[in-house]
Amino acid sequence: AQSVTQLDSQVPVFEEAPVELRCNYSSSVSVYLFWYVQYPNQGLQLLLKYLSGSTLVKGINGFEAEFNKSQTSFHLRKPSVHISDTAEYFCAVTNSGAGSYQLTFGKGTKLSVIP
Amino acid sequence: DVKVTQSSRYLVKRTGEKVFLECVQDMDHENMFWYRQDPGLGLRLIYFSYDVKMKEKGDIPEGYSVSREKKERFSLILESASTNQTSMYLCASTGRLGDYGYTFGSGTRLTVV
Repeated sequence: AQSVTQLDSQVPVFEEAPVELRCNYSSSVSVYLFWYVQYPNQGLQLLLKYLSGSTLVKGINGFEAEFNKSQTSFHLRKPSVHISDTAEYFCAVTNSGAGSYQLTFGKGTKLSVIP
Repeated sequence: DVKVTQSSRYLVKRTGEKVFLECVQDMDHENMFWYRQDPGLGLRLIYFSYDVKMKEKGDIPEGYSVSREKKERFSLILESASTNQTSMYLCASTGRLGDYGYTFGSGTRLTVV
């Protein structure tokens, strides 16, 4: 079984400042990792994913994340945030075995961008 | 563009009513899921289905049931709505997780009064 811990429930940041949203996972097997974003009163949409290969993954809207196997982390970063990045962000994990179809989600981090 | 469509964005129901939340996907996905989302609790899995007429309980199935008669449609049923079921309900589907992860619907915000 996997678990995901998002270390910060809320992150306030000034516009144009950099941001890092932290995610740690626990799993005894190889994993796939995902970040989702949820804008107010909407569903979740995929930001980026790590399946294999390069540990630095680039996603939409200028976000990127780095997979660190030794630290079991998958932190999300953006070098300069915009007001429109205000949203809730969810990290998710699944095992990479064939037939896996269930994601385990973290509890989310609310990013508030301050003008 | 692939889509998961939830039939209602907002619903208001009375305590004791039977409530149906509908979810339809057009991606021929085998796996479909219902979550509820509450502040501070994240997403909690209610039920999921990995095939037509198949269903599995998630973490919080009490007070809910589901129906999947066709591959593209997964319905969540609140047998007798209660105020503690006021929440945001999210439907999701997936084929192979490595392709897209989950695709989510826009959510249904249900208020039970």
